[in-house]
Amino acid sequence: SAVISQKPSRDICQRGTSLTIQCQVDSQVTMMFWYRQQPGQSLTLIATANQGSEATYESGFVIDKFPISRPNLTFSTLTVSNMSPEDSSIYLCSVTPDRLRETQYFGPGTRLLVL
Amino acid sequence: TQLLEQSPQFLSIQEGENLTVYCNSSSVFSSLQWYRQEPGEGPVLLVTVVTGGEVKKLKRLTFQFGDARKDSSLHITAAQPGDTGLYLCAGGPHQTGANNLFFGTGTRLTVIP
Repeated sequence: SAVISQKPSRDICQRGTSLTIQCQVDSQVTMMFWYRQQPGQSLTLIATANQGSEATYESGFVIDKFPISRPNLTFSTLTVSNMSPEDSSIYLCSVTPDRLRETQYFGPGTRLLVL
Repeated sequence: TQLLEQSPQFLSIQEGENLTVYCNSSSVFSSLQWYRQEPGEGPVLLVTVVTGGEVKKLKRLTFQFGDARKDSSLHITAAQPGDTGLYLCAGGPHQTGANNLFFGTGTRLTVIP
């Protein structure tokens, strides 16, 4: 398993501003992912954060809105840009320690409220 | 898109009762995971099943992967208030080397003391 921390744990932001969420893992991992979970809903994959290359975005998510950095094998950031109330959600990072396995371990999440 | 439908969506039962949650898809998955998420926390992995027909037991929880690897079930015996949470199934794609998980629609369980 892996121990994952996220910062901030929660935030309240004004529309039009941007927020960067950090994800730190206690060991080197090949794959890191960013998910969004709207209130009471399941998880939707935003993108796969690739170390050394551009993130791979899922349908409906674009780099201009959700830029992602992955400078090394233990850290990634997700920025929510030009926020609107519709971006209010929980943002979760997850990792899979083994490239050949699909099992993922999740951080505690960042709860974002956009006013 | 590989969709996983869970049923029921909501379940409220008394302590001591048994329950089963279902996870169904028309797609084949290489593996199936079950997670539980409590309020204010991220999902926590409960089990991974990889072989069609596989059954795994974790104390009072029994997990089964369908023979065709398209569906799964989670059975809880003698539910406890501590079992309360959002249960999520997630399927690994039928592609070697891919790491994406496809999450189910979720089942919110409440166990009443």
